[in-house]
Amino acid sequence: AQSVSQHNHHVILSEAASLELGCNYSYGGTVNLFWYVQYPGQHLQLLLKYFSGDPLVKGIKGFEAEFIKSKFSFNLRKPSVQWSDTAEYFCAVNGGFNKFYFGSGTKLNVKP
Amino acid sequence: DTGVSQDPRHKITKRGQNVTFRCDPISEHNRLYWYRQTLGQGPEFLTYFQNEAQLEKSRLLSDRFSAERPKGSFSTLEIQRTEQGDSAMYLCASSFGTGVGDTQYFGPGTRLTVL
Repeated sequence: AQSVSQHNHHVILSEAASLELGCNYSYGGTVNLFWYVQYPGQHLQLLLKYFSGDPLVKGIKGFEAEFIKSKFSFNLRKPSVQWSDTAEYFCAVNGGFNKFYFGSGTKLNVKP
Repeated sequence: DTGVSQDPRHKITKRGQNVTFRCDPISEHNRLYWYRQTLGQGPEFLTYFQNEAQLEKSRLLSDRFSAERPKGSFSTLEIQRTEQGDSAMYLCASSFGTGVGDTQYFGPGTRLTVL
């Protein structure tokens, strides 16, 4: 079975700090990888996704993620966070059919 | 595009009662998903429809859970004989696609509390 691990449950940063959120998955085949974000009081929304090709994927609001196949990882990064990035971030994997597995989420708190 | 809507937004029920939730996907989306999310966890996949056909069903979905999408548009999720462990946020998402890994658009969820 597929699974997704997000090791950082709660991250606190000051504005302008750099961000990296870890995501590891377990699945031996071809995967599609996603990062979703949930801002306070809002629905889950897609931040970025990887299907194939360039392992460095750019998403909305200056976020990017790098797929490292050998490490089964898909870490999310942002060079300089803003207070408005305060949210919960979920990594998800889909390996065949349309069954998605989500990690447990990382709550990011950016201090102004 | 009004987004995915779910009704009700909150439901409080007593143990043993039946509850039904409704999801209205984005109008042209052919795929619809149900998830359950408990505190401190990410969404857990429950089931997936392509048009009116239920193509995937998680082992989490016990006999007390049933989902339908009768005309390939809205969907309902029914929980019979609710238990306290059913208390969770129930999320619906929809997408348009024919392959794998579509972008899913999530609704606001229905929060169920079983007393």
